[in-house]
Amino acid sequence: DSGVTQTPKHLITATGQRVTLRCSPRSGDLSVYWYQQSLDQGLQFLIQYYNGEERAKGNILERFSAQQFPDLHSELNLSSLELGDSALYFCASTSGDSSYNEQFFGPGTRLTVL
Amino acid sequence: GQNIDQPTEMTATEGAIVQINCTYQTSGFNGLFWYQQHAGEAPTFLSYNVLDGLEEKGRFSSFLSRSKGYSYLLLKELQMKDSASYLCAGLDTSGTYKYIFGTGTRLKVLA
Repeated sequence: DSGVTQTPKHLITATGQRVTLRCSPRSGDLSVYWYQQSLDQGLQFLIQYYNGEERAKGNILERFSAQQFPDLHSELNLSSLELGDSALYFCASTSGDSSYNEQFFGPGTRLTVL
Repeated sequence: GQNIDQPTEMTATEGAIVQINCTYQTSGFNGLFWYQQHAGEAPTFLSYNVLDGLEEKGRFSSFLSRSKGYSYLLLKELQMKDSASYLCAGLDTSGTYKYIFGTGTRLKVLA
């Protein structure tokens, strides 16, 4: 158990819908990272937040957005969902904002878009 | 854009040593990470290299050559539980910082 929690574990929805994925980092960790993992593309870095502020951005679609709240939990919002958005979404946390810190991954949310 | 290449699959025998290679474009990368991921589970951190050379952690070692854009993960005394995917990831510091992951190497350890 990494100490990072993600809810829900599974999510099934329809195209065009909007969903919110939630992540709580390890106690004391200030950085949260979001990743998408699909079968054909491996693990894709989406975005990083540090202490409430956006710190780094990867290949995140405009239909996707994220935020980190004062209690440090983070939410990833996915809208106008498409079939291709079906994937495992992981969040990870680190203690500092140094990019070389070990990342601790949550168990993931499996999103299925029908 | 940046690219990371690693073999798709490897097979090795229990008790043996296996080396998983990873190559990447050299410009903009600053740090190389290795993660282990069992099927259906989250990745877990194994090691990272910022400077050239070998980092050893028990049965796992990782090597980096920045000038050659090359890294490897060495697993010794293989155990059945080492059957997993091994992900190589680089930290791209050109522009905004972002992590670039390879598609992973699926390692099968046979008895």
